[in-house]
Amino acid sequence: EVQLVESGGGLVQPGGSLRLSCAASGFTFSSYWMSWVRQAPGKGLEWVANIKQDGSEKYYVDSVKGRFTISRDNAKNSLYLQMNSLRAEDTAVYYCARESREQWLVVHYYYYMDVWGKGTTVTVSS
Amino acid sequence: SSELTQDPAVSVALGQTVRITCQGDSLRSYYASWYQQKPGQAPVLVIYGKNNRPSGIPDRFSGSSSGNTASLTITGAQAEDEADYYCNSRDSSGNHPGVFGTGTKVTVL
Repeated sequence: EVQLVESGGGLVQPGGSLRLSCAASGFTFSSYWMSWVRQAPGKGLEWVANIKQDGSEKYYVDSVKGRFTISRDNAKNSLYLQMNSLRAEDTAVYYCARESREQWLVVHYYYYMDVWGKGTTVTVSS
Repeated sequence: SSELTQDPAVSVALGQTVRITCQGDSLRSYYASWYQQKPGQAPVLVIYGKNNRPSGIPDRFSGSSSGNTASLTITGAQAEDEADYYCNSRDSSGNHPGVFGTGTKVTVL
């Protein structure tokens, strides 16, 4: 069964740090870009960061640049999100998601996130 | 603009058809993907590309696109389709997912 399982969430004070993990199983983890997506309480979805198959490219939403670091360990089939200098507005459920793409023309692709974990909750509060 | 705009809420009678729209400039370059999210659950991909359904998604879900607007249609809505629906597209750089749509709450009456 294709599966993603997040862990590492919890309550942290403003300015603190937390490291999220995502364990992948049932597919060749090293073949896929991976993303973190978050959802603040009562709000919509927000893409946070993604990482290329070999870890050589990483991208972040502006609001977390310089504070969050995405990484992966393909030998352990695991994705990580190191979160530093946490703020109240980082409070959210954090999901890891597998990115996929399908070619439909020579240079065009469909992009989508087809596998999601159940999420882990991060609460930033004093 | 990188925004994707959706109607906040729509309602549909059981067994009838409902269309959800998503508008944004990025949709002129990239097809949308659509996600269903029920309360307390993770999002689920329901449509991607021109009109592609992942395995296990009922064929009452369909997608279309024109210009800067993508649409998700539920034909013969069922009670279990009541959920929030989000669209997503690619960032203009092509390197990562862009913003998600603002979300549409679908209520099945």
